[in-house]
Amino acid sequence: AQSVAQPEDQVNVAEGNPLTVKCTYSVSGNPYLFWYVQYPNRGLQFLLKYITGDNLVKGSYGFEAEFNKSQTSFHLKKPSALVSDSALYFCAVRDEWWYTGTGGGNKLTFGTGTQLKVEL
Amino acid sequence: DAGVTQSPTHLIKTRGQQVTLRCSPKSGHDTVSWYQQALGQGPQFIFQYYEEEERQRGNFPDRFSGHQFPNYSSELNVNALLLGDSALYLCASSLPAGTGRSPLHFGNGTRLTVT
Repeated sequence: AQSVAQPEDQVNVAEGNPLTVKCTYSVSGNPYLFWYVQYPNRGLQFLLKYITGDNLVKGSYGFEAEFNKSQTSFHLKKPSALVSDSALYFCAVRDEWWYTGTGGGNKLTFGTGTQLKVEL
Repeated sequence: DAGVTQSPTHLIKTRGQQVTLRCSPKSGHDTVSWYQQALGQGPQFIFQYYEEEERQRGNFPDRFSGHQFPNYSSELNVNALLLGDSALYLCASSLPAGTGRSPLHFGNGTRLTVT
């Protein structure tokens, strides 16, 4: 089974400071990892993904994430936070083992989300 | 290029009724998944459709069923509604099967309230 943990319900950061939103995962095979952001009353917006290769992944709006296989973590980071970054952030995992290549196995398992609040 | 579109945006139903939610995938996508997001929770996988067949299913009862049409659009049907079915229902689409590494693209969801 695949699972994701986001240990912090909320993260508060001052504008201009770096931010980190934590995520750990559990899969049977190799993980495909994703970060999504959700604004109020909206769907999820894709930020970035890790499939293979460099452990530091760059995504949209200046966000990046660091994959650490030994710690089974995929933390989201941004060097300088903006008030407009305030939103709900979800980490998600797809287990490569389950991908069947026949149209199945596309399932993403999400964490419970971390509310990011960036204040002036 | 239109993204994933869902209708209706909001819906209020009474316990025991049935509901149908609709989704049109992003252009070029042929795989559609449905997720339920309860208040304060992460999205939970309901099922996935590809080539008009249900390919994978999450831990949801048979009251939840779906359909995919030849134009790749999809419907989610929920029968015998319970109060606990109140949630945001998200539709997601992705690139053609064989690209399991591609991200899902989500619509803005349908907010279902069961009274």
